[in-house]
Order: sequence, then C-alpha cells, then structure tokens
Amino acid sequence: AQSVTQLDSQVPVFEEAPVELRCNYSSSVSVYLFWYVQYPNQGLQLLLKYLSGSTLVKGINGFEAEFNKSQTSFHLRKPSVHISDTAEYFCAVIPKGGSEKLVFGKGTKLTVNP
Amino acid sequence: GAGVSQSPSNKVTEKGKDVELRCDPISGHTALYWYRQSLGQGLEFLIYFQGNSAPDKSGLPSDRFSAERTGGSVSTLTIQRTQQEDSAVYLCASSLPGRPYNEQFFGPGTRLTVL
Repeated sequence: AQSVTQLDSQVPVFEEAPVELRCNYSSSVSVYLFWYVQYPNQGLQLLLKYLSGSTLVKGINGFEAEFNKSQTSFHLRKPSVHISDTAEYFCAVIPKGGSEKLVFGKGTKLTVNP
Repeated sequence: GAGVSQSPSNKVTEKGKDVELRCDPISGHTALYWYRQSLGQGLEFLIYFQGNSAPDKSGLPSDRFSAERTGGSVSTLTIQRTQQEDSAVYLCASSLPGRPYNEQFFGPGTRLTVL
C-alpha cells in the first residue's frame, strides 16, 4: 500500500517570497508522483507530474518539483509567489503497474498575503 | 472542449434519506473515478470504472454506497440511508485508458450536507 504525508497543513507567505511545500511518500513499489492544486470552490487541477527521467519537473504557473528517491520526497517549489497562488495543494501517488487510483496527502493550504 | 461535469453542485439532505450524485465524464474517456473529500479524511478513493471491466470498489466505505456506470459514460453514485459522517465533497474524475499513466481530469464536485 502507499501513503503520502504532507508535512505542513498550512503555509502562510508574503507575495513575491519563495515557497516550498513538502511531500513525502511511502511505498513498497515504484510510484508516479503528482501535485494537484484546488482553488477555492473549484475542482482539482494537475500542476505537474513525475513519471520517469529527469528528477526536476516543471509545471504550470511557475511551479516545479524535485523527485528524491532516496528521501522518498517530492517537494513543490516556486521562487516567487503571487496572491493568485492562494489555494490548497495536494501531493499524490499512483503505484507503477498497479491500480490507477490516486493516493493523496491531506493537503497544504497556501495563503499568500500582500 | 467540455470538461467533467457533476450534478447537483450542492445537495442538502436529512439523515436517513437516499441521495444520487451524477457524473458526466469527458467524451471518449473510458476510465471514471469517484473520490471523497472530507475534513477529517482528506481525499479518498471510492470506486473506479474502466471500460467493460468489473469496477474496483475497494474504496467504498460501507454497503450503503454503490455506483454504476451506464453505457460506459454517465455514472451515478448512490448513498442509501445517509449519515452525518457522509457529509463531504464528492469528486468525479475521468481519463483515457492506457499505460503508463493518463491524466485524471476532475469535475467541480458535489457538496453533500447531511443534517
């Protein structure tokens, strides 16, 4: 079975500051990794994904994440945030070769203050 | 093109009543998923349909929950004898089939409140 831990439930930052949202996972098999964003009163939108290859992946809206196999982490970063980045962010995994159901972390609420 | 749609957007019901939640996937997407988002549990998988294969029901929390997918398209999630702990946002997602992975596109969700 897989599990995902998002270490921070809430992250407040000021506009134009850098941000890192942390995600660690546990799995007995290799996984695909994802970050989703949920804006207020909206559904989930895929930010970025890691399937294979380069461990640094870039997504939409200037976000990027780095897969670290030895630390079983997939932290999300943005060098300079905007007010519009205020949302909830979910890290998720799918086991390779297994079921395609997403296993989610509990989410990190990012609040960008002026 | 049109995304995943869900109806109703909000549903308020009384404890003990049955409810039906509807999901219209993206045309051509043969895979369909239901997830539940609640304050205490976060986002949890409920059920997965892929084409004509038997659905993966491993995430359904009790036998009060059931789902069907008619004609390989629209899906209905039914909750019988609703309880207050069923209050949550129910999210539907769809994707194309195939490996290694196809992006799941999510609908806006149905917010269910059980009084």
